[in-house]
Amino acid sequence: KNEVEQSPQNLTAQEGEFITINCSYSVGISALHWLQQHPGGGIVSLFMLSSGKKKHGRLIATINIQEKHSSLHITASHPRDSAVYICAAPGGGADGLTFGKGTHLIIQP
Amino acid sequence: NAGVMQNPRHLVRRRGQEARLRCSPMKGHSHVYWYRQLPEEGLKFMVYLQKENIIDESGMPKERFSAEFPKEGPSILRIQQVVRGDSAAYFCASSWGRGRETQYFGPGTRLLVL
Repeated sequence: KNEVEQSPQNLTAQEGEFITINCSYSVGISALHWLQQHPGGGIVSLFMLSSGKKKHGRLIATINIQEKHSSLHITASHPRDSAVYICAAPGGGADGLTFGKGTHLIIQP
Repeated sequence: NAGVMQNPRHLVRRRGQEARLRCSPMKGHSHVYWYRQLPEEGLKFMVYLQKENIIDESGMPKERFSAEFPKEGPSILRIQQVVRGDSAAYFCASSWGRGRETQYFGPGTRLLVL
């Protein structure tokens, strides 16, 4: 079973700061997911990546398959980025996901 | 193209009653996953279904929980004789295929057992 660890668990930053959230996993995978869960509880899939880097707006995700590590970066952070960010990897059942505990991000104006 | 739909969004049940949670996958998706998020805990895999087949139910509690994904209609997660510990948010996700496909999440059903 894949073990997924995230850090930090909690992160408070000022608007405009560059944010980095880290994720490591124990078993080699084909792809890793980054999800965003807002205070209302809904979950949005941000990225699925299997190598290199992906960018969407101010969000950047990178993965190093050899080191079993991924990072999510937010540039020019904004209060609306405040949410829980979750990384997930295959290992929860047959193609189901196993999830990190999440990073609670608060961006203060 | 409508996203993944779940209903009801909120469900209140008394102990011993049955809870039925519905998930309509995105159009064209034939793979459905159910996940549970207990209060103050992370998401946990419960079951993976394709049309008319349960592929993996290794995350389902052994008793009282069942899931189906019929040929027609939504996937249903059924919890019989609910207990307070079943109170949680239940999310379904759907994908076009298995493995390396992106999973799209529904808004979740928040179950409260009184």
